Amino acid sequence: GAGVSQSPSNKVTEKGKDVELRCDPISGHTALYWYRQSLGQGLEFLIYFQGNSAPDKSGLPSDRFSAERTGGSVSTLTIQRTQQEDSAVYLCASSLVPGAGNTIYFGEGSWLTVV
Amino acid sequence: DAKTTQPPSMDCAEGRAANLPCNHSTISGNEYVYWYRQIHSQGPQYIIHGLKNNETNEMASLIITEDRKSSTLILPHATLRDTAVYYCIVRYPMDSNYQLIWGAGTKLIIKP
Repeated sequence: GAGVSQSPSNKVTEKGKDVELRCDPISGHTALYWYRQSLGQGLEFLIYFQGNSAPDKSGLPSDRFSAERTGGSVSTLTIQRTQQEDSAVYLCASSLVPGAGNTIYFGEGSWLTVV
Repeated sequence: DAKTTQPPSMDCAEGRAANLPCNHSTISGNEYVYWYRQIHSQGPQYIIHGLKNNETNEMASLIITEDRKSSTLILPHATLRDTAVYYCIVRYPMDSNYQLIWGAGTKLIIKP
């Protein structure tokens, strides 16, 4: 597609349930990022994928959070046993290759509300 | 910790140039300065980036001081649609992985 695509755009879930958020990066982009943004806050890095390399998971806030990227393209972020503090917008981004000179493009986000 | 410092908010009259400052005094030689903006309820939108030379594109101009410790984003003719939070970000390498360290940004309000 022309841009980074995320689904669902909005998700309301009950506390304790698992959720899956999907990201389809820009075609040909090898680097994929997940961020989280709570209301009124800046972005919080979660995880980074680059090609077939082991992902950088250093930003994941707990072991309830996991992500995978199949076939070097689509990625799924999974949150198990959701808590109310998980409510945020989850943003996926991609770049052509890693490197500080390469622009990262963002999707519109998946808004998660845990009730 | 964020590596950039920006004023929390600014106003600008419609049609005038909006000049958004950013301090990044600890920037190192291989770190780029990026600007993004985020309009309410939307994903961040890329604006412009640079290393040491001034840059211009269809959206904005980026002026980086010679010592690279600060920069200014210039929106030459601000419109109401430019009302957004503007983020100045320094990108740094961590081995082959790269993260964006986001501060709180500047909330720019364009007034008619």
